[in-house]
Amino acid sequence: AQSVTQLGSHVSVSEGALVLLRCNYSSSVPPYLFWYVQYPNQGLQLLLKYTTGATLVKGINGFEAEFKKSETSFHLTKPSAHMSDAAEYFCAVTHNNAGNMLTFGGGTRLMVKP
Amino acid sequence: ETGVTQSPTHLIKTRGQQVTLRCSSQSGHNTVSWYQQALGQGPQFIFQYYREEENGRGNFPPRFSGLQFPNYSSELNVNALELDDSALYLCASSLGPSGSEAFFGQGTRLTVV
Repeated sequence: AQSVTQLGSHVSVSEGALVLLRCNYSSSVPPYLFWYVQYPNQGLQLLLKYTTGATLVKGINGFEAEFKKSETSFHLTKPSAHMSDAAEYFCAVTHNNAGNMLTFGGGTRLMVKP
Repeated sequence: ETGVTQSPTHLIKTRGQQVTLRCSSQSGHNTVSWYQQALGQGPQFIFQYYREEENGRGNFPPRFSGLQFPNYSSELNVNALELDDSALYLCASSLGPSGSEAFFGQGTRLTVV
């Protein structure tokens, strides 16, 4: 069984400030980890993913995440928030044998203040 | 290349009724996954279809069923609707059941009254 916990259902930052969205996972096998973004009334868009190899993963729109096996974490960061980053962010986990059958966390709503 | 399209975008049904939601996968994609996203929650995996066969299923009762057609489009059917079935239903297509990115549609908002 696998699960994802996203700490903080709401995160508020000022424009230009660091964005940090937390994700911890539980998996009995090596995980594949994802971050998705969802804008209002839209589907999910992939920001970045980790499968194997380099543990620091860079994604679109300046986001990156680091896989830390010892901490079972995959936190999402962006050095400088932009107003357009305001959205709902979801962390998800799967593994090699589960393919695209994703288990999602509860989501974190990011608010960016001017 | 067209993306994943879902229809309808919104619908309202009465408790006990049946509903069919439709998904057209992205061109060339042979795998479709369905997710239920209740308000304020993350998506939950319902099932996946690969080459017209169910390839995996989440923790949903049998009244949630699906189909995949030879052109890889898909339907999600829900019988005996309950109030708790009110949610955004998301379809995602991919080139194969694993190892490739899943592309999501905009979803169908189902309200059960």
